Amino acid sequence: DAKTTQPPSMDCAEGRAANLPCNHSTISGNEYVYWYRQIHSQGPQYIIHGLKNNETNEMASLIITEDRKSSTLILPHATLRDTAVYYCIVRKRDTGRRALTFGSGTRLQVQP
Amino acid sequence: NAGVTQTPKFQVLKTGQSMTLQCAQDMNHEYMSWYRQDPGMGLRLIHYSVGAGITDQGEVPNGYNVSRSTTEDFPLRLLSAAPSQTSVYFCASSYGNEQYFGPGTRLTVT
Repeated sequence: DAKTTQPPSMDCAEGRAANLPCNHSTISGNEYVYWYRQIHSQGPQYIIHGLKNNETNEMASLIITEDRKSSTLILPHATLRDTAVYYCIVRKRDTGRRALTFGSGTRLQVQP
Repeated sequence: NAGVTQTPKFQVLKTGQSMTLQCAQDMNHEYMSWYRQDPGMGLRLIHYSVGAGITDQGEVPNGYNVSRSTTEDFPLRLLSAAPSQTSVYFCASSYGNEQYFGPGTRLTVT
């Protein structure tokens, strides 16, 4: 799996968009970008994933650059409940279902 | 669906004791795994299973055993607890891209 780099922490005002960057400059053509988050003391929660096109679901949007070397997770209207550690993970989509490798992530603090 | 359930939520053991952490899922997922998370750290894979009767080691398997006799259950056994095994343990299951995690078991070994 390609290595990812994320800022250790970010702040965001409640109601504003939270933009969380991830660098994955060594990503290969068949590797996907996944985002998970972990709210304090809870199990990680899947958010979204993508290959090369931008993706959106009810939780967030994922913007992947054209060269795929970086991506941004966007929470459009952050709430206090979005305070969590956000993990960007790059991995192949294979049927072996290998485990996720969690790095240190970005700690997002949503401020009231 | 209950999703992924784990028991117990909290456990305190003395050094040398053994115990089993239970994990069950009702989503008929073939893939299940166990992670540990130490304070301020990311998750590390202990063992995983790609289906009933099949298990394999992850990144930090020493001191732990697993078995997978049914699709639903994937217990984790601590053979002889050590203080270094004090951690929060998460079980997960998946089918496809998304992994679903349980609420965790907080284990303290004194």
